Amino acid sequence: KAGVTQTPRYLIKTRGQQVTLSCSPISGHRSVSWYQQTPGQGLQFLFEYFSETQRNKGNFPGRFSGRQFSNSRSEMNVSTLELGDSALYLCASSPQGAGRADTQYFGPGTRLTVL
Amino acid sequence: KQEVTQIPAALSVPEGENLVLNCSFTDSAIYNLQWFRQDPGKGLTSLLLIQSSQREQTSGRLNASLDKSSGRSTLYIAASQPGDSATYLCAVTGTYKYIFGTGTRLKVLA
Repeated sequence: KAGVTQTPRYLIKTRGQQVTLSCSPISGHRSVSWYQQTPGQGLQFLFEYFSETQRNKGNFPGRFSGRQFSNSRSEMNVSTLELGDSALYLCASSPQGAGRADTQYFGPGTRLTVL
Repeated sequence: KQEVTQIPAALSVPEGENLVLNCSFTDSAIYNLQWFRQDPGKGLTSLLLIQSSQREQTSGRLNASLDKSSGRSTLYIAASQPGDSATYLCAVTGTYKYIFGTGTRLKVLA
């Protein structure tokens, strides 16, 4: 089975712009979670989608949004970028998501740099 | 609010040594606990998943234990190798949410 894929792998944007990141889960997985990883804050949960519905959301401003399509692929959007949004954005997929005996499988991440 | 802490933050050991990494969490109402490793600039690789009803899981040279009542988990690595050098993260699951620990950066010296 192919693993979790994320595109693009690297992005450079300027403050005020917006960005869309994409995640394709492992075939058959219905849950996709997004995380932000920075040296200062570590790995922080952004949100989780299951069958096109957002089931939970972390403590991030409304500039961070996401969606999931019927084929379980997910996108994450960040509007009005700030310097502090520079981070590694990771997505993970699992069959049923958190709250089940599921292993999460992570993609390689998208490295976003905001100048 | 669930908080997950890992001690030590960094560890450097000679090859061949057995070692223990620690993970503590404040809320024992978890569904399961998962250990990951992360190589620099890369995604996470799952190592072991322990369900809340289990006490331990083993995979090769790795053994993870879980004590929900005391809010602790340990990852035991036997006969460490330079290829084990990475950051190790634990994560606990609540309702539709994973909370990650702060990580332990491990370096195994040849």
